[in-house]
Amino acid sequence: IAGITQAPTSQILAAGRRMTLRCTQDMRHNAMYWYRQDLGLGLRLIHYSNTAGTTGKGEVPDGYSVSRANTDDFPLTLASAVPSQTSVYFCASSSQGRAEAFFGQGTRLTVV
Amino acid sequence: AQSVAQPEDQVNVAEGNPLTVKCTYSVSGNPYLFWYVQYPNRGLQFLLKYITGDNLVKGSYGFEAEFNKSQTSFHLKKPSALVSDSALYFCAVRRANQAGTALIFGKGTTLSVSS
Repeated sequence: IAGITQAPTSQILAAGRRMTLRCTQDMRHNAMYWYRQDLGLGLRLIHYSNTAGTTGKGEVPDGYSVSRANTDDFPLTLASAVPSQTSVYFCASSSQGRAEAFFGQGTRLTVV
Repeated sequence: AQSVAQPEDQVNVAEGNPLTVKCTYSVSGNPYLFWYVQYPNRGLQFLLKYITGDNLVKGSYGFEAEFNKSQTSFHLKKPSALVSDSALYFCAVRRANQAGTALIFGKGTTLSVSS
């Protein structure tokens, strides 16, 4: 079934540790996005990529980095996790021809 | 800058009654507008979108939304609510004709439908 796969589904991480959240899509979408969801704040854009080889900063990029080496993969890295990065992270993608974005099932990250 | 406001944190309706979840937006130029639904511990599911054309847009599960340019609103509606409609609803906007532009989301409205 075509879609977006995120891994892991959940993770407890010690503060100061490095962590990479994985995101893979098999829909050949040009654009990919990372959002974090926090209670009362909705979804906020962390980073995005309009096409392979390019990335950009969203609303809340500090403490996060991304790469887009190919069309399918868009990993999100926390270089040194802090408790404020405890959140649910969603990866999404969209094609050039369709306006809506499709979302993965999310990664629940707890930084302790 | 683009922004979305969902003025109600929670909407409560009785099963069988009509429901409305409100959304207003701000964007330069023409908007693309979206509604998504999120069930507990799940990702976001696309419900419907307005791109161009008729102001009344029909989507999944009997939902519809009306685009009102003068009021910059895109309220989600359903004629008869079901208990199974209880979920978290997000309105989103992006600028038209900008491929790959990220969606900007509102903070969400929790819909609770009682039996």
